[in-house]
Amino acid sequence: AQSVSQHNHHVILSEAASLELGCNYSYGGTVNLFWYVQYPGQHLQLLLKYFSGDPLVKGIKGFEAEFIKSKFSFNLRKPSVQWSDTAEYFCAVNSYNQGGKLIFGQGTELSVKP
Amino acid sequence: KAGVTQTPRYLIKTRGQQVTLSCSPISGHRSVSWYQQTPGQGLQFLFEYFSETQRNKGNFPGRFSGRQFSNSRSEMNVSTLELGDSALYLCASSATGTGNTDTQYFGPGTRLTVL
Repeated sequence: AQSVSQHNHHVILSEAASLELGCNYSYGGTVNLFWYVQYPGQHLQLLLKYFSGDPLVKGIKGFEAEFIKSKFSFNLRKPSVQWSDTAEYFCAVNSYNQGGKLIFGQGTELSVKP
Repeated sequence: KAGVTQTPRYLIKTRGQQVTLSCSPISGHRSVSWYQQTPGQGLQFLFEYFSETQRNKGNFPGRFSGRQFSNSRSEMNVSTLELGDSALYLCASSATGTGNTDTQYFGPGTRLTVL
C-alpha cells in the first residue's frame, strides 16, 4: 500500500535558520507530489507541487522542494525561515491512476522562535 | 474566484446520531474529495466524487457515505456516530481530479464533536 513518511514530528528553529523537512513515499509507479501548509486557524494551502520535469520545484513564500526519484524523497527546504512560517507542513502523494486521492504524511509542526 | 466552502463549520452531536456535511467546490471544479483529520491518524482519504459518481474510496466503514449533485456540490453523511468520529472533515476540489496535472484546493473544514 502507498504510504508517506515525514521524518520529523516537531521542528523548532530560530528566525533566519535554514529549514529542511524530510518526506519519503513508498510507491513504485508515477506519482505527483505536494507540500501543503496549515497555518494556525487556517485551512490547508498548497505550497508547491511536482508533476514532471525539473525535479527542483519552487513554491510560494520562498519554499522549494527537490524530487529525488531514486530515493523516493521530496524534501522541503527554505534558506531562511521567518516567525510567520510557524505552521504544520504536510507532504502528500497522488499516484497517476488513482484520480484525486491524496495520501498524506503525518505532518511536521514547525515552530519558529523570533 | 470563491474558494471551497463547507457548512456547517462546527457541529456537536451525540453518539448514535447521524450527521450530514456539505461542500461547495470552486466554480468549474468537478471533482470533490473528502478527508478526515484527527491528531492521532492525521489526514485520511474518505472518498472522491466526480460527475456524481464515486471514483475512489478510502478504508472507512460503511457508516461513512457521500454523494455529489449535478452542480458538483457534495455531501457526506455519517450514520450511527461514534466518539471516534470526532474530527475535522475537509473537503477538497479540483478541476478533474485526474491526478496527472490537477491540484486539490481545500476548504476550511467542518469540526465535528461527538459526545
